[in-house]
Amino acid sequence: GDSVTQMEGPVTLSEEAFLTINCTYTATGYPSLFWYVQYPGEGLQLLLKATKADDKGSNKGFEATYRKETTSFHLEKGSVQVSDSAVYFCVIGKRGYQKVTFGTGTKLQVIP
Amino acid sequence: DTAVSQTPKYLVTQMGNDKSIKCEQNLGHDTMYWYKQDSKKFLKIMFSYNNKELIINETVPNRFSPKSPDKAHLNLHINSLELGDSAVYFCASSQASGETTDTQYFGPGTRLTVL
Repeated sequence: GDSVTQMEGPVTLSEEAFLTINCTYTATGYPSLFWYVQYPGEGLQLLLKATKADDKGSNKGFEATYRKETTSFHLEKGSVQVSDSAVYFCVIGKRGYQKVTFGTGTKLQVIP
Repeated sequence: DTAVSQTPKYLVTQMGNDKSIKCEQNLGHDTMYWYKQDSKKFLKIMFSYNNKELIINETVPNRFSPKSPDKAHLNLHINSLELGDSAVYFCASSQASGETTDTQYFGPGTRLTVL
């Protein structure tokens, strides 16, 4: 079956540091790829997505590129802020099928 | 306006009780979901309904029963609550389409504590 592997957290960074959260997946066909973010005490919300190979999703300074050859969708941000402290989930979804598979989540803590 | 709302936000109850959580979405979506998030933030899908029809039913104890009176509402009823049911339960919705997997919109969660 489909699966998602994310790097273990927590990740602790100083403000303005560079962020990478690794995500690799196993799936048949061409899944859609997502990053969702969960701020403390809130529900999840979409951060960015990509639906085909080499697509780059971006939002709020975060980026991730759909790499089919390496089955990866790593999340990056050039300069993190304290307000980026949250749990980040890598998610895959089969085309035409509404059930998605979540990674285990990576907690990011940014310190001033 | 809240897109996906859940009530209650917090629920504290004794083992053996029966409780319900309600979810409503005003996005006009066709598909709704229930997820369970454990203390380590791991998310597990429980159920999904599309236009009031059950389409996803993961391995969940029979004590959990979803009900969708219309496509804007999906409620979760839990019988004979157990300690292991303590978690945060999230409702979500999406607009099903044939080509891609659509973005899911999540409610704020219901934190259930079973004593």
